[in-house]
Amino acid sequence: DGGITQSPKYLFRKEGQNVTLSCEQNLNHDAMYWYRQDPGQGLRLIYYSQIVNDFQKGDIAEGYSVSREKKESFPLTVTSAQKNPTAFYLCASSAGTGGEKTQYFGPGTRLLVL
Amino acid sequence: GENVEQHPSTLSVQEGDSAVIKCTYSDSASNYFPWYKQELGKRPQLIIDIRSNVGEKKDQRIAVTLNKTAKHFSLHITETQPEDSAVYFCAASIRRGSNFGNEKLTFGTGTRLTIIP
Repeated sequence: DGGITQSPKYLFRKEGQNVTLSCEQNLNHDAMYWYRQDPGQGLRLIYYSQIVNDFQKGDIAEGYSVSREKKESFPLTVTSAQKNPTAFYLCASSAGTGGEKTQYFGPGTRLLVL
Repeated sequence: GENVEQHPSTLSVQEGDSAVIKCTYSDSASNYFPWYKQELGKRPQLIIDIRSNVGEKKDQRIAVTLNKTAKHFSLHITETQPEDSAVYFCAASIRRGSNFGNEKLTFGTGTRLTIIP
C-alpha cells in the first residue's frame, strides 16, 4: 500500500478550471490505472496504461486526460469539459507482464467543485 | 464489454453469523475474480481472489466460490466481527497468460456490510 501515493488528498476546482491529480508508485509496476468512485457506485475506469508512453481510454474517459512519461508517474487531468467532476479518484498499479497482476490502490484524492 | 452485477447492496448481520455476497458476470471469457474491501474513506484492499481453474478458495474466515457454468461467484465471511464492517467490491477480468499485459478490471457496485454487535 505505501508504494502508491496520491496528492493532494483534497482538491477544489473552480468552474472552467483544469486540475491535475498526481499518482506516483515506487513498486516498479508496469501498469497504472485511474478510477472514479461516486457514492453508491462501484469503481469506474477512466484511463489505464500498460507501459510507458502508452495509455488507453477506459469506460468514462470523456473530460479527462492522462500522460505516462515515466514508469513511476501517471497524472490525471480533469478538464473543464468534465461537467460533473465531484468524486473520489483512485489510482492503482499492477506488476504487468510476467509478474503478479494484483491491482494495488493509492489512498485517493477527493475532488470538490467550488 | 464485461458487466458485473453485485447483490445485495446492503447487508446487516449479527456478530458471529455468516455473510454472503454474490456477483454475476457476463463475459464467459473472464477468468480472474478478485474481491476488495474498502473501509470508510480509505483505499480498496484485496482480500481474496480466485482464478477460473478452481471452484473454491479459502483464507481463514473468508472464502470465495466460483460457478463458471452459471457465471457467478460469491464471497463468504464466517464468524463475522465488527472489523468486517466495510464496503466489499467484486470484480472480473480476462487474463491471457503471464506474457500478456494487464487487463482492466470491471467492478460490481459494492455491498455495504454492517456487523451488529
